[in-house]
Amino acid sequence: EDQVTQSPEALRLQEGESSSLNCSYTVSGLRGLFWYRQDPGKGPEFLFTLYSAGEEKEKERLKATLTKKESFLHITAPKPEDSATYLCAVQAGETSGSRLTFGEGTQLTVNP
Amino acid sequence: EADIYQTPRYLVIGTGKKITLECSQTMGHDKMYWYQQDPGMELHLIHYSYGVNSTEKGDLSSESTVSRIRTEHFPLTLESARPSHTSQYLCASSELYSGANVLTFGAGSRLTVL
Repeated sequence: EDQVTQSPEALRLQEGESSSLNCSYTVSGLRGLFWYRQDPGKGPEFLFTLYSAGEEKEKERLKATLTKKESFLHITAPKPEDSATYLCAVQAGETSGSRLTFGEGTQLTVNP
Repeated sequence: EADIYQTPRYLVIGTGKKITLECSQTMGHDKMYWYQQDPGMELHLIHYSYGVNSTEKGDLSSESTVSRIRTEHFPLTLESARPSHTSQYLCASSELYSGANVLTFGAGSRLTVL
């Protein structure tokens, strides 16, 4: 059974204080690992897809990395507008139509 | 801008009422999904469709039903709502990038059953 565990559950940072969020996963045949951002009362917004170990992707203050067992979302010099819940999901299986399994998310709060 | 639309955004109804949550997408995606999300919890897949006249139940058992008569439309229906159905319902559609499904979500429908 595919499993995704995110840590910490909640993270409070001061503006400019860099940190990382963790996503540990167990899947059979990873097709893709996804990071989403979710603001309160809204649907998740796509950030990144990572396909293989060693891959990295960046977008503004966010950088996602992938190993064979986990992914990190690094946040450099965060701003209050980065406050949101960050969700990790994996797609596994041999067929490209496989469903996604989501973690519970990390709730990030950035104080000014 | 979002290309997947959900209505209503918020709904408060009494027990026993029939409700339909609407979901439409303008991207021409074949695959569409319904997820249920409680506060602070992960998303659970309750229904999915890989095309017109194709619907399947997801990982989380749900008393709701879905239909897919048109590519762009994927409504979810509860015949008799109960307080246990109170939750946020998220609709999504997806397309393939390098063999992986990238989901685009709607803004969600928050249902409260009294």
